[in-house]
Amino acid sequence: GAGVSQSPSNKVTEKGKDVELRCDPISGHTALYWYRQSLGQGLEFLIYFQGNSAPDKSGLPSDRFSAERTGGSVSTLTIQRTQQEDSAVYLCASSRGLGLRTHGYTFGSGTRLTVV
Amino acid sequence: AQTVTQSQPEMSVQEAETVTLSCTYDTSESDYYLFWYKQPPSRQMILVIRQEAYKQQNATENRFSVNFQKAAKSFSLKISDSQLGDAAMYFCALDGGSQGNLIFGKGTKLSVKP
Repeated sequence: GAGVSQSPSNKVTEKGKDVELRCDPISGHTALYWYRQSLGQGLEFLIYFQGNSAPDKSGLPSDRFSAERTGGSVSTLTIQRTQQEDSAVYLCASSRGLGLRTHGYTFGSGTRLTVV
Repeated sequence: AQTVTQSQPEMSVQEAETVTLSCTYDTSESDYYLFWYKQPPSRQMILVIRQEAYKQQNATENRFSVNFQKAAKSFSLKISDSQLGDAAMYFCALDGGSQGNLIFGKGTKLSVKP
């Protein structure tokens, strides 16, 4: 696609439920990044993919968070047993390759998750 | 550890005037990049300007310019001839290394008064 697409745009869920957030990167972009933006905070790096592989999952806040990417394209971020502190905007970005220095990022518009 | 600090949670500027947003950072790397991103209410992060650390010349993009002080680890953004459309959150960010992730500051909310 022309840009990075994220869905849903907004999601309200009850505490304890599971949610799936989707990111559709720009076609041909091999690197994909997930960030979390809590209210009044900057962006917190969660995880990145190079192709379908996520070499480092240490940025995920807890074991309730997982992410996968299939076919080198769409990625899903899953949060199990959601808690109120999970409420945030989840942003996805993609890049032609690892490294901002030569490729740059394109961000999506994010998913605003509200846990009630 | 790499850190980015923005000490101004909010700033305000009169339309057509100039404003400077502050950013300091810390890294042990000698070769790195710094960025300013704009986030309007649409939430999409938009790259405003990028600075390569090994370049002494300050980057400029039309009305946007930076004052890069490598020894002081300071990277401020100057917006000249401010426009109503410049109102947004501005984030300073540091290239986090080989993974390609960014380290962000907490942002500065810029308001532009007509």
